[in-house]
Amino acid sequence: QQQVKQSPQSLIVQKGGISIINCAYENTAFDYFPWYQQFPGKGPALLIAIRPDVSEKKEGRFTISFNKSAKQFSLHIMDSQPGDSATYFCAASIGGLTGGGNKLTFGTGTQLKVEL
Amino acid sequence: GAVVSQHPSRVICKSGTSVKIECRSLDFQATTMFWYRQFPKQSLMLMATSNEGSKATYEQGVEKDKFLINHASLTLSTLTVTSAHPEDSSFYICSARAPGAQYFGPGTRLLVL
Repeated sequence: QQQVKQSPQSLIVQKGGISIINCAYENTAFDYFPWYQQFPGKGPALLIAIRPDVSEKKEGRFTISFNKSAKQFSLHIMDSQPGDSATYFCAASIGGLTGGGNKLTFGTGTQLKVEL
Repeated sequence: GAVVSQHPSRVICKSGTSVKIECRSLDFQATTMFWYRQFPKQSLMLMATSNEGSKATYEQGVEKDKFLINHASLTLSTLTVTSAHPEDSSFYICSARAPGAQYFGPGTRLLVL
């Protein structure tokens, strides 16, 4: 009930291409869905987040698409760059406007490698 | 942006000793901090929620007496791994709660020999 499933486990994309990572959740009480980027040996950093009242949110090269009926959300990285090579985690929490500060359930992570 | 620090960044200790990890919110006050554990190439698993001035709330399966948490001020939470064993070796990450978000520290790598 509390799980967030993430795929793929790893992803290789050519420079300039689009990276797509998908997540699915079961708990319909989740109402805050962030994506985090983590470099080796570092803590996660918030990239972008969405709430279920919108279907898409874009910030620079990063876009979240959200499908409430399917209980799925995805991260799209446009014009992927070698510097984007990192591990990406989706997450979910409960709490509406304060959801970002609440207990997070993380997906299993996706190792992205952007090749030249 | 909000900054969270952790100290030490890396620690090696002998089996049976205790290790204390500090988590500080540098430019904001955090009544709530979270402690996570991460094994290599795995996800973050929430260990406990640390509340300033009260007892921590531990997740199921996390030993309270093994992982002691103290949140004595609005900017500092500590995690003490007591009587550490090799299986406690891991990457420990804290986060501090701000309005509508939480900010993560850089992590502490613990190696128990």
